[in-house]
Amino acid sequence: NAGVMQNPRHLVRRRGQEARLRCSPMKGHSHVYWYRQLPEEGLKFMVYLQKENIIDESGMPKERFSAEFPKEGPSILRIQQVVRGDSAAYFCASSPLADSYEQYFGPGTRLTVT
Amino acid sequence: RKEVEQDPGPFNVPEGATVAFNCTYSNSASQSFFWYRQDCRKEPKLLMSVYSSGNEDGRFTAQLNRASQYISLLIRDSKLSDSATYLCVVYSGNTPLVFGKGTRLSVIA
Repeated sequence: NAGVMQNPRHLVRRRGQEARLRCSPMKGHSHVYWYRQLPEEGLKFMVYLQKENIIDESGMPKERFSAEFPKEGPSILRIQQVVRGDSAAYFCASSPLADSYEQYFGPGTRLTVT
Repeated sequence: RKEVEQDPGPFNVPEGATVAFNCTYSNSASQSFFWYRQDCRKEPKLLMSVYSSGNEDGRFTAQLNRASQYISLLIRDSKLSDSATYLCVVYSGNTPLVFGKGTRLSVIA
């Protein structure tokens, strides 16, 4: 019973490059949430997606950030032209139901921008 | 006022001690409440849900006071393995989970 999988686990990018973070939800889950955790901070919601739909992106910065969850394949969080302030842990969670507090977290991707 | 506030700690306690963490939340419409545990550089993991009647799971007891918008977690007989950051989490229906910054606990031998 594989849990939520995220890759890469660690990602180093230079300022101005693009970062792509991938999340494969648990089997049977069609709802994905992305959270960001800055150093010494709590997790902050970014975006909630269902297959092929963005449901809530109220926590996502308006520029440089985008997310998708295609019909086939993992959910992708994309950060264009990364800056040092993007350095953080990015956690993905999945759930079997819509708008659910029952969320299962992946191990996270640690992004370091140099 | 932040949505979920916690004392950041750190709490440094000896093995066997009892330690209590507090959390307040600002949204009176919040419906569900949780304590998560997060080990260093790992993902958060659900420790327990919190109910108005209070609930206990082994050495852990959680309490909710809706009138005061206050949640607590009590850990009895602390173990070295309890060292972690404890996150207070609130859910308000069709909104995302809202996390506090966490309270760091170090249990010392």
